Amino acid sequence: DIQMTQSPSSLSASVGDRVTITCRASQGISNDLGWFQQKPGKAPKRLIHAASSQQSGVPSRFSGSGSGTEFTLTISSLQPEDFATYYCLQYNIYPPTFGQGTKVEIK
Amino acid sequence: EVQLVESGGGLAKPGGSLRLSCAASGFTFTNAWMSWVRQAPGKGLQWVGQIKSKTGGGTTDYAAPVEGRFTISRDDSKNTVYLQMNSLKTEDTGTYYCTRDWSGPGDYWGQGTMVTVSS
Repeated sequence: DIQMTQSPSSLSASVGDRVTITCRASQGISNDLGWFQQKPGKAPKRLIHAASSQQSGVPSRFSGSGSGTEFTLTISSLQPEDFATYYCLQYNIYPPTFGQGTKVEIK
Repeated sequence: EVQLVESGGGLAKPGGSLRLSCAASGFTFTNAWMSWVRQAPGKGLQWVGQIKSKTGGGTTDYAAPVEGRFTISRDDSKNTVYLQMNSLKTEDTGTYYCTRDWSGPGDYWGQGTMVTVSS
């Protein structure tokens, strides 16, 4: 199975900060990667698909980039409602595999 | 509006069975590929399996930990996808989500249903 390694596993940031989360795949996955946000007690919600395509209705402060083995999710200006856990998911080679998650907390 | 509503969760004994359902609305279900994803309490997300649309072959794929124990099926006349879980283990405990898949799994998610496997 492809291993997805997310970093950092957690971070503390302030409202207005620029935040970057990285996901590294154990082998090349083209651009077959999604990013998800999950708030406590809620279902995940997809933010990005195909590495850099925004899901409909997602605020423009969320952006994704990368291909091959290195991917990033950037939040350009962190808002109070963005404090959550973020996961990447590769779907290039089955089984699809998630990263371990990055918890974004309030500084 | 896309809606996915899971049901059927609950308490089961190790070795027992449960069947989860996911009722879909707001999109053309017959064309959709559907997945199940689970989350153990306090842990991350794990893809469980997927069923393709009939036009996509209708085939299923499963994660290794559930292969041979879990079966995904669909009833397009009812806009419903099922997850039959047999030979349950304590490590199957968690919240189970169904997802519509487009450009990969997880385009839309249901609210989840909790499964607890305990003696």
